Amino acid sequence: KAGVTQTPRYLIKTRGQQVTLSCSPISGHRSVSWYQQTPGQGLQFLFEYFSETQRNKGNFPGRFSGRQFSNSRSEMNVSTLELGDSALYLCASSPPGNTEAFFGQGTRLTVV
Amino acid sequence: AQKVTQAQTEISVVEKEDVTLDCVYETRDTTYYLFWYKQPPSGELVFLIRRNSFDEQNEISGRYSWNFQKSTSSFNFTITASQVVDSAVYFCALRANRDDKIIFGKGTRLHILP
Repeated sequence: KAGVTQTPRYLIKTRGQQVTLSCSPISGHRSVSWYQQTPGQGLQFLFEYFSETQRNKGNFPGRFSGRQFSNSRSEMNVSTLELGDSALYLCASSPPGNTEAFFGQGTRLTVV
Repeated sequence: AQKVTQAQTEISVVEKEDVTLDCVYETRDTTYYLFWYKQPPSGELVFLIRRNSFDEQNEISGRYSWNFQKSTSSFNFTITASQVVDSAVYFCALRANRDDKIIFGKGTRLHILP
């Protein structure tokens, strides 16, 4: 069974631009969560989607948004990028009825 | 509010030594779930174990063992006879209920020296 797949693996963007990251969950998983990881703040929860609906949301500005499609694939978008948005963005999926999350390898975003 | 504390920021041990990673959690929920994840240099978080709040049995998996104690709100992780491949950042995490988010501790960076 394929794991969680995140694309692209690396991105370099300029301040003020916007970016879209993609996540394909493990087959059969309907819950997808996104996390931002930085050296200073650690792993911070962004949002979670379940069956195309946002179920939980972290404490991030509105520039961070996401969505989930009917096939459970998810995208997150960051608009008006700031230098502080440079981070590893991790996506995770969870199977029905289970509480643990399985993570992808992440997208490393660098904002210059 | 939920919180996970990993007081050890960084640990270095010589190969074959045993090492214990500490985790203390806070939650007011009576049903909750605890996890440990490993993050090697590649960046992917690898799921190691889940523990339910109603199951205090300790668990052993090969060289790995976990000690869950509700009385002290701790969920410690021990690696026996450590190996260089165990070098990674280890995260303890908590989910208060099935529909809530998972929150992570700051992680413990473990160096196993040959």
